[in-house]
Amino acid sequence: KAGVTQTPRYLIKTRGQQVTLSCSPISGHRSVSWYQQTPGQGLQFLFEYFSETQRNKGNFPGRFSGRQFSNSRSEMNVSTLELGDSALYLCASSFGASSGNTIYFGEGSWLTVV
Amino acid sequence: QKEVEQDPGPLSVPEGAIVSLNCTYSNSAFQYFMWYRQYSRKGPELLMYTYSSGNKEDGRFTAQVDKSSKYISLFIRDSQPSDSATYLCAMIPEADYKLSFGAGTTVTVRA
Repeated sequence: KAGVTQTPRYLIKTRGQQVTLSCSPISGHRSVSWYQQTPGQGLQFLFEYFSETQRNKGNFPGRFSGRQFSNSRSEMNVSTLELGDSALYLCASSFGASSGNTIYFGEGSWLTVV
Repeated sequence: QKEVEQDPGPLSVPEGAIVSLNCTYSNSAFQYFMWYRQYSRKGPELLMYTYSSGNKEDGRFTAQVDKSSKYISLFIRDSQPSDSATYLCAMIPEADYKLSFGAGTTVTVRA
């Protein structure tokens, strides 16, 4: 069974640009969440979607947004990139109908902002 | 004070030793407890999942949760060089969908 798939794996952007990252969850999983991982802050929650609805959002500025499609695939977008947005962005999926479902992560998208 | 505290290490042990990792937390609402292993430049891989208090064993791995003390542990027996990685504890409250992570402990198993 395929795991969580994230694309692209690596990308370099310039300050002020925007970026869109994509995530395909494990087949049958309807919950997709996004995390940012940096050496200084560790893993921080961005947002979570279930059946195309955002159920939870972390403490990130409005430049960070996401959406989920009817096939459970998800995208996150970061606009007006800043140097501090350089990080590993991780997508995770679970069955998600209730809390406590096991959560599986993808390999991540490495974003470098120059 | 962070919601989940985890000693970042690094921790270096000889091959075959028992690795002991732990996390403390402050939010009594946490009900589900997980340990993830993350190799360099890879995503976190789920190792152990425990609901509420108790012990769980899977091969060389044992997870313990003591909710009364707000303390969780992971033990790795007969450690191997392939166990060298960063270990992250994570937890989530009932009726919530957001994982709270510890900082991660970097473990090196010396051959």
